[in-house]
Amino acid sequence: EDKVVQSPLSLVVHEGDTVTLNCSYEVTNFRSLLWYKQEKKAPTFLFMLTSSGIEKKSGRLSSILDKKELFSILNITATQTGDSAIYLCAVEPLNSGGYQKVTFGIGTKLQVIP
Amino acid sequence: GAGVSQSPRYKVTKRGQDVALRCDPISGHVSLYWYRQALGQGPEFLTYFNYEAQQDKSGLPNDRFSAERPEGSISTLTIQRTEQRDSAMYRCASSAHAEETQYFGPGTRLLVL
Repeated sequence: EDKVVQSPLSLVVHEGDTVTLNCSYEVTNFRSLLWYKQEKKAPTFLFMLTSSGIEKKSGRLSSILDKKELFSILNITATQTGDSAIYLCAVEPLNSGGYQKVTFGIGTKLQVIP
Repeated sequence: GAGVSQSPRYKVTKRGQDVALRCDPISGHVSLYWYRQALGQGPEFLTYFNYEAQQDKSGLPNDRFSAERPEGSISTLTIQRTEQRDSAMYRCASSAHAEETQYFGPGTRLLVL
């Protein structure tokens, strides 16, 4: 059974701090790892990672994957109060159906205080 | 166009009643997923549709749960004879095609009393 473990479970930082969120996984026949940001409404897609060592970057957010050690990190620099959310990590196995059947972790709840 | 929409946003029902939860995917999206998200947990896969075909229902917890997408667009998740343990957020997601980015709806929060 595929498994995703995220740490820390929750985190409180001050605006301007840099944070690193961790995701470790076990999956049969890995295809991709995904990061989502979940605010009050729906989870929104951040990154899809498929190859080790290649950093994906979007503004102040970046993420990297280590397929040998089976983990990924999500970095947020110069945090803002708008970054407060639950960050979800998910893994996708290869499957013959060709669709994105993912397993999510329970998330890291980030709170950024002014 | 508009994102994924779900209705109702909140549903309170008594144990033993049937409920139907609706998902309106992004127009033209072929793939549609249903998830259940308990408080403090990540979304848990329930079922997947490719157009109107239900290709995977392995995540449905038991036979009280069913889903359909008869015309390949709107989908309905039905829970029969609800139980208190069914209380959760039920989320729908759609993607343009299989293996593409999923866009989630706001969810229906179901409370079974």
